[in-house]
Amino acid sequence: LAKTTQPISMDSYEGQEVNITCSHNNIATNDYITWYQQFPSQGPRFIIQGYKTKVTNEVASLFIPADRKSSTLSLPRVSLSDTAVYYCLVGNMDTGRRALTFGSGTRLQVQP
Amino acid sequence: SAVISQKPSRDICQRGTSLTIQCQVDSQVTMMFWYRQQPGQSLTLIATANQGSEATYESGFVIDKFPISRPNLTFSTLTVSNMSPEDSSIYLCSVERLAGSEQFFGPGTRLTVL
Repeated sequence: LAKTTQPISMDSYEGQEVNITCSHNNIATNDYITWYQQFPSQGPRFIIQGYKTKVTNEVASLFIPADRKSSTLSLPRVSLSDTAVYYCLVGNMDTGRRALTFGSGTRLQVQP
Repeated sequence: SAVISQKPSRDICQRGTSLTIQCQVDSQVTMMFWYRQQPGQSLTLIATANQGSEATYESGFVIDKFPISRPNLTFSTLTVSNMSPEDSSIYLCSVERLAGSEQFFGPGTRLTVL
């Protein structure tokens, strides 16, 4: 399974753009990348998923370079409510390589 | 999306007893999983709950300690057996509608073992 590495923590201010990078050097050809957000006392919540280049939805963008050895979750104009832990997972649809392994995550603290 | 409920939401138990946690989904799903999350830590996958067959356990987790049932496509239970204080944790159920798609998580069950 592809191991992921993320910064342990990040600080930001309201209104700023936040970019969280995840390294996954041994990602396999058919692996996809998934990001989750977790607030205290809640289960993780799906944010975005991608395979290559760029994916954008209503809450975030995911940038994946051509070599796919890393990915960057971009949160535009964060607010206090974006304070949470963000997890990057790598896996594919094969039973033995599902995106089920959570790394240590990145704790984002947004200040007013 | 999927709406997932867990019962109980929290419990305080005595050492040596067992607790069964229920996970109910609002519609049929392909895959159901059980995770453990200790305070301030990341999530650790315990097992995959297979419908109609024995669960698939991850390394470090065994059926005698964490028996799992999945009688149908919308319901699963996890039992924490012969509990010790080290079992104090949050236990989360998650589902995938389709294999490899995103997971949806339940609210978790906060277990404290005295």
